[in-house]
Amino acid sequence: DAKTTQPPSMDCAEGRAANLPCNHSTISGNEYVYWYRQIHSQGPQYIIHGLKNNETNEMASLIITEDRKSSTLILPHATLRDTAVYYCIVRVGPGSSNTGKLIFGQGTTLQVKP
Amino acid sequence: KAGVTQTPRYLIKTRGQQVTLSCSPISGHRSVSWYQQTPGQGLQFLFEYFSETQRNKGNFPGRFSGRQFSNSRSEMNVSTLELGDSALYLCASSLDGGVYEQYFGPGTRLTVT
Repeated sequence: DAKTTQPPSMDCAEGRAANLPCNHSTISGNEYVYWYRQIHSQGPQYIIHGLKNNETNEMASLIITEDRKSSTLILPHATLRDTAVYYCIVRVGPGSSNTGKLIFGQGTTLQVKP
Repeated sequence: KAGVTQTPRYLIKTRGQQVTLSCSPISGHRSVSWYQQTPGQGLQFLFEYFSETQRNKGNFPGRFSGRQFSNSRSEMNVSTLELGDSALYLCASSLDGGVYEQYFGPGTRLTVT
């Protein structure tokens, strides 16, 4: 699985958009980009995933560059409850022996401030 | 739909003992994965079970084992506990692993004294 690089920490003002970057320059053609977050002492929460195209759901948007070497998670209107560690994970898709395995890095600690 | 449940939520054990943790996946999910989270090592993959078979395994010693039942519920067992086994143990369920997102339970906080 490709490795990811994220900034260790970021701040965001409440009500503003939070843009969390992730580099995955060694991503392979069949690898997906996943985002999870973990609020203190809770289990990680799935946010969104994508392969090539930009994706949006009720929680966030995922922007993947055309060369797929980096991506950005966007929380459009951050609230205090969005304060958490955000993990960008690259993982292989179906057909691989690692299909059920997530490799977590250190993530980005997002602090949303009032 | 009920989420992933883990029991017990907190556990205190003594070195040398063994422990069994339980995970009930979301209804209809057939894949269950286990993770260990410590402040030093972060979140690390232990193993994944799918249809009662271990499909993937992380780099943990043989003291860590698991199993899955026909109703997809899973247990993990740690024998001969060491102080370093103190951690938050998380299980996650998904439809079948693969590209399907994993949903995590609240975890079991194990303290070894």
